[in-house]
Amino acid sequence: QLQLQESGSGLVKPSQTLSLTCVVSGGSITSAGYSWSWIRQPPGKGLEYIGFIYHSGSTYYNPSLKSRVTMSVDVSKNQFSLNLTSVTAADTAEYFCARTLRAPAAPDAFDIWGRGTMVTVSS
Amino acid sequence: DLQMTQSPSFLSASVGDRVTITCRASRNISKYLNWYQRTPGEAPKFLIYTTSSLQSGVPSRFSGAGSGTDFTLTISSLQREDFATYYCQQSYTTPYTFGQGTKLEIK
Repeated sequence: QLQLQESGSGLVKPSQTLSLTCVVSGGSITSAGYSWSWIRQPPGKGLEYIGFIYHSGSTYYNPSLKSRVTMSVDVSKNQFSLNLTSVTAADTAEYFCARTLRAPAAPDAFDIWGRGTMVTVSS
Repeated sequence: DLQMTQSPSFLSASVGDRVTITCRASRNISKYLNWYQRTPGEAPKFLIYTTSSLQSGVPSRFSGAGSGTDFTLTISSLQREDFATYYCQQSYTTPYTFGQGTKLEIK
């Protein structure tokens, strides 16, 4: 059974870079028909889509974050990563990684999620 | 961005009740609407895709309906494990967007 697990720094100082990794276990990140996404939820607010990456390295970023986001993939380690630069308190959120379906019957739905990791931006 | 609005934000119900949550899109999204369940401390769970298709393993008491801009998630007979927060998500266009959530609480 495929599982996702987020890890990374839980506390980041303002203006610094937030870095998270999502390890995929129980399946391959190179499986056809999927991309790999990041989603976040600030405390008391709704879910915000950050973007996705394919195992090939192709990416899509939400325009609202595009100037600060970089995603990467390491197929040898079966994991993908998120970097968010120049963080502020507004980036404080629970961050989730999720597998994204690319199937015609269920396009762009998130079928498997990690449990999430809380990142706080504070000095 | 395409806005998704859920109602109600909070819903109080009892075990055995039938409940319906509504999700409205700011413009036509055809059938490209998905639903998720979130329980604190757990990974969000994928329930329904493209409006009405039940994800494998999801109990049949969950159902979805709608098209265009108006969609519903119905739970026919609430079980204790259903008390959680539910989110809709449009997959019609990027950036994908979510509703603000409906928290379903035990009465």
